[in-house]
Amino acid sequence: KAGVTQTPRYLIKTRGQQVTLSCSPISGHRSVSWYQQTPGQGLQFLFEYFSETQRNKGNFPGRFSGRQFSNSRSEMNVSTLELGDSALYLCASKDPPAAWSGSSSYNEQFFGPGTRLTVL
Amino acid sequence: GQQLNQSPQSMFIQEGEDVSMNCTSSSIFNTWLWYKQDPGEGPVLLIALYKAGELTSNGRLTAQFGITRKDSFLNISASIPSDVGIYFCAGQNYDRGSTLGRLYFGRGTQLTVWP
Repeated sequence: KAGVTQTPRYLIKTRGQQVTLSCSPISGHRSVSWYQQTPGQGLQFLFEYFSETQRNKGNFPGRFSGRQFSNSRSEMNVSTLELGDSALYLCASKDPPAAWSGSSSYNEQFFGPGTRLTVL
Repeated sequence: GQQLNQSPQSMFIQEGEDVSMNCTSSSIFNTWLWYKQDPGEGPVLLIALYKAGELTSNGRLTAQFGITRKDSFLNISASIPSDVGIYFCAGQNYDRGSTLGRLYFGRGTQLTVWP
């Protein structure tokens, strides 16, 4: 099975622009989560999508948005870019079980290699 | 939000030495996880812990889920050069009635292994 793929791998933008990042999950995985990784803040959760619906959201401003398509592929968009948005954006996919059955049903998230966004 | 304190921030050790790192939280978690991230890659899961008190091994790696559910540690025995990388702890809680849920990450431990 192919792993999680993210495109593009590297991106350079200027302040005020907007950007769209893409994530293709592992085949059969229905949940996609996005994380931002920076040296200053570490790994921060952005949002999680499942069945084309946003299920969880982190503490990021409304400039950060996302969506999921019927084939589970996901995109995230950042509008009005700021210098502080420079980061590695990671996507993770998983295939959650139908129900939480206790201690042994952890559903592993598989991370992609990330998109390195630089805002100048 | 839930804060995870991971220590040490960095470690410089000689090949063959044992390594220990830990993570504490202000809140309890249902699941503790340990990841390793290599340069240019996303984090890769090393060990997942599901029960308070659980001790789990994966080769030279051993991790424990603290009794209070607010802490976890990771040990690496007989380190080798390919152990170099950043190690992250992460905690996860599941939404009620759901198997979805966000990960909260520690700040990472940068491990350097000298031959």
